[in-house]
Amino acid sequence: GQQLNQSPQSMFIQEGEDVSMNCTSSSIFNTWLWYKQDPGEGPVLLIALYKAGELTSNGRLTAQFGITRKDSFLNISASIPSDVGIYFCAGQLPYSGAGSYQLTFGKGTKLSVIP
Amino acid sequence: KAGVTQTPRYLIKTRGQQVTLSCSPISGHRSVSWYQQTPGQGLQFLFEYFSETQRNKGNFPGRFSGRQFSNSRSEMNVSTLELGDSALYLCASSGDRGHTFGSGTRLTVV
Repeated sequence: GQQLNQSPQSMFIQEGEDVSMNCTSSSIFNTWLWYKQDPGEGPVLLIALYKAGELTSNGRLTAQFGITRKDSFLNISASIPSDVGIYFCAGQLPYSGAGSYQLTFGKGTKLSVIP
Repeated sequence: KAGVTQTPRYLIKTRGQQVTLSCSPISGHRSVSWYQQTPGQGLQFLFEYFSETQRNKGNFPGRFSGRQFSNSRSEMNVSTLELGDSALYLCASSGDRGHTFGSGTRLTVV
């Protein structure tokens, strides 16, 4: 089955620094999604990417859908303490028309921000 | 719009028992997916339902099953629980723009 390789596994950064994380896959995905999960909660969608080469921002977050459709990165600028959490990338195969929205997830990047 | 509601939030069960978890999707969403999250394996797809039909199933044993009702609410059932079934079970309501997850059910098997 499909696998997503997400790196780094964990990061410790100073408040105010920029952060970058990425995901690569051996499969082509139609959609790339980035989620953040806080302890005890479900993942929350941060950014969705639908077209190869697409660059999308959401506040201090910027994500890009790779040209080959096999990779994506997420950047966080000027990190703040509330950025702490686990960030997941997820890939979605082309919608088959049969109603399948199945996502394949990376293993996550655990972000710690030192005040 | 109300979000995705999962009940219960926490459960403790004994090995060998069975458990049923419930999920109410966002109003108007007909697709519900279930995922198991563990520290070792991460987020793994269990199954997906669309208009009461199972559309897709992940690589889990037959002890894991689910169903969806006409109002799109979904349940998943795990029979003959094992210690390794301890996990956070997440339900996602799906539309054209990705999944919206519930807060999950934390299942502990002792």
